[in-house]
Amino acid sequence: DTAVSQTPKYLVTQMGNDKSIKCEQNLGHDTMYWYKQDSKKFLKIMFSYNNKELIINETVPNRFSPKSPDKAHLNLHINSLELGDSAVYFCASSQDGAADTQYFGPGTRLTVL
Amino acid sequence: DQQVKQNSPSLSVQEGRISILNCDYTNSMFDYFLWYKKYPAEGPTFLISISSIKDKNEDGRFTVFLNKSAKHLSLHIVPSQPGDSAVYFCAASDLIQGAQKLVFGQGTRLTINP
Repeated sequence: DTAVSQTPKYLVTQMGNDKSIKCEQNLGHDTMYWYKQDSKKFLKIMFSYNNKELIINETVPNRFSPKSPDKAHLNLHINSLELGDSAVYFCASSQDGAADTQYFGPGTRLTVL
Repeated sequence: DQQVKQNSPSLSVQEGRISILNCDYTNSMFDYFLWYKKYPAEGPTFLISISSIKDKNEDGRFTVFLNKSAKHLSLHIVPSQPGDSAVYFCAASDLIQGAQKLVFGQGTRLTINP
């Protein structure tokens, strides 16, 4: 009965490969997010979808492409992986509104060799 | 350009005493401020929040204070317990078309000593 789940939890891959991280939420929320926590532990928003529509798109390389097949899912596809993409990626969801809590998934640790 | 800053990377407090975590921000347009707690290998979990129109919000052992003129907020935990040992992130919220854009500080690692 996990609220926000991500798969896989760990991902180790070679430079140049393409990989996907999946996220699902069972909270009935309208909005989902992807965050990146880099080696310096900064947690920064990458994307946000509201009802399957892209709302927030920070200055992220276009090698990163989020896809939202439905309200409950927001997947992150990364093309041509680079060493600098190594990080922990967190998915989150919330209802509409500034005051609403964002619920985070457990994170996916991506290591690019 | 770091809009939300937590200048103390770590803090050590004795069990039973008060823990005070600080956070500064630069953008006066933020709507809400939030504190998240994070254990290793887990995602951040929401702790407490405060609207930009208030100056204090209390929830059990946790109180958040907001000083808008100083662009400063703090989280007080009293009494501190060993289970409070974690990394605490301060975040500021900007609502964009229904999506809550959170800007996080770099975190403060709190250690509660028995």
